[in-house]
Amino acid sequence: DAKTTQPTSMDCAEGRAANLPCNHSTISGNEYVYWYRQIHSQGPQYIIHGLKNNETNEMASLIITEDRKSSTLILPHATLRDTAVYYCIVRPPLTYNTDKLIFGTGTRLQVFP
Amino acid sequence: DTEVTQTPKHLVMGMTNKKSLKCEQHMGHRAMYWYKQKAKKPPELMFVYSYEKLSINESVPSRFSPECPNSSLLNLHLHALQPEDSALYLCASSGEGFGNTIYFGEGSWLTVV
Repeated sequence: DAKTTQPTSMDCAEGRAANLPCNHSTISGNEYVYWYRQIHSQGPQYIIHGLKNNETNEMASLIITEDRKSSTLILPHATLRDTAVYYCIVRPPLTYNTDKLIFGTGTRLQVFP
Repeated sequence: DTEVTQTPKHLVMGMTNKKSLKCEQHMGHRAMYWYKQKAKKPPELMFVYSYEKLSINESVPSRFSPECPNSSLLNLHLHALQPEDSALYLCASSGEGFGNTIYFGEGSWLTVV
């Protein structure tokens, strides 16, 4: 399984963009990059995923480098409610009955007033 | 609707008790998962069910026994647990096809005394 490397923690001022980096230099060509977040004591929440192209939804934007070895999750206007642990996950290639998500240690994002 | 419902939210059990955690989804998903999360650690995969059949067991001790009675329900039967099994137990589900999003429930907090 491809490994990911994320900073342990980051701070962001409320209202500013939060840019969370992720390194996945061993990613395979058919593996997706997924982002989840986990607010304290809650289940992980899906944010966004992508394969090669940049993606945007109502929560965030995902920028994937051309060589696919790294990506950045962007929260355009961080709020206090975005304080959470953010997980960047590379999803292994689907073989019969073996689809799964393997979590790394994630980035603890603290949004401050 | 992307809801995965877990019950109970909190469970306290003795080491000789038998209890069960339940998970339900009505999204028509055919893959369901159990994860275990210790405090300040990322979720760890325990089991994966695909089309109601166990497809992955991540070397989980036999005191944890999963069951998938139908495509909407997933149980985790607990027997003779140890205090170190105290954790947040997360259920998740996903639809068919590679790249389909995995959605998580809010988890069941288990305390073994």
